[in-house]
Amino acid sequence: EAGVTQFPSHSVIEKGQTVTLRCDPISGHDNLYWYRRVMGKEIKFLLHFVKESKQDESGMPNNRFLAERTGGTYSTLKVQPAELEDSGVYFCASSHLPASGEGTDTQYFGPGTRLTVL
Amino acid sequence: DQQVKQNSPSLSVQEGRISILNCDYTNSMFDYFLWYKKYPAEGPTFLISISSIKDKNEDGRFTVFLNKSAKHLSLHIVPSQPGDSAVYFCAAPANAGGTSYGKLTFGQGTILTVHP
Repeated sequence: EAGVTQFPSHSVIEKGQTVTLRCDPISGHDNLYWYRRVMGKEIKFLLHFVKESKQDESGMPNNRFLAERTGGTYSTLKVQPAELEDSGVYFCASSHLPASGEGTDTQYFGPGTRLTVL
Repeated sequence: DQQVKQNSPSLSVQEGRISILNCDYTNSMFDYFLWYKKYPAEGPTFLISISSIKDKNEDGRFTVFLNKSAKHLSLHIVPSQPGDSAVYFCAAPANAGGTSYGKLTFGQGTILTVHP
């Protein structure tokens, strides 16, 4: 079974430019999450999709970030226009949707996209 | 507001010895905890978890202990191996109270180095 994949692995852009990150979750996983780790600090939640719907986007920093998951498969995260503070590693994770009565889901992470904004 | 804290940025141990990584949390609603391991240039990998109805969960060389009254958990690795050298993150799902899935709140991570 293929794991979570992310593209690109690295991106270097200038301030003000646009970048789009892509995440392909594990097949059959309805939950898809985006996280970001800045400067070796903690990994912070950005948003959560259940299938194609945004379940929780409370972690999105501002309206320069736009996430989509059309068709409930892969997801994209667009940053427009990028700012210096957007630099970091963006992780995507996916998991099965727990059945009713079950409490847990194990999130499987992709390798991340390292974004550098100059 | 750091709800999950790993106060030790790094830990160095000798191969064969025990590694103990600590994690504290402030949100009493958390009822499930996970440990992830991360190698450089890779994403975090799930290692072991524990539900709040337990105080210990063991998987091979890895054991997680939970002290709910102290809001503290720890990961024990014994014996430690050089391949265990990685960053270890403690995490808790934010959607507590009936479901334990959803966004994870992570600690800052502890860099473990196991010397041969």
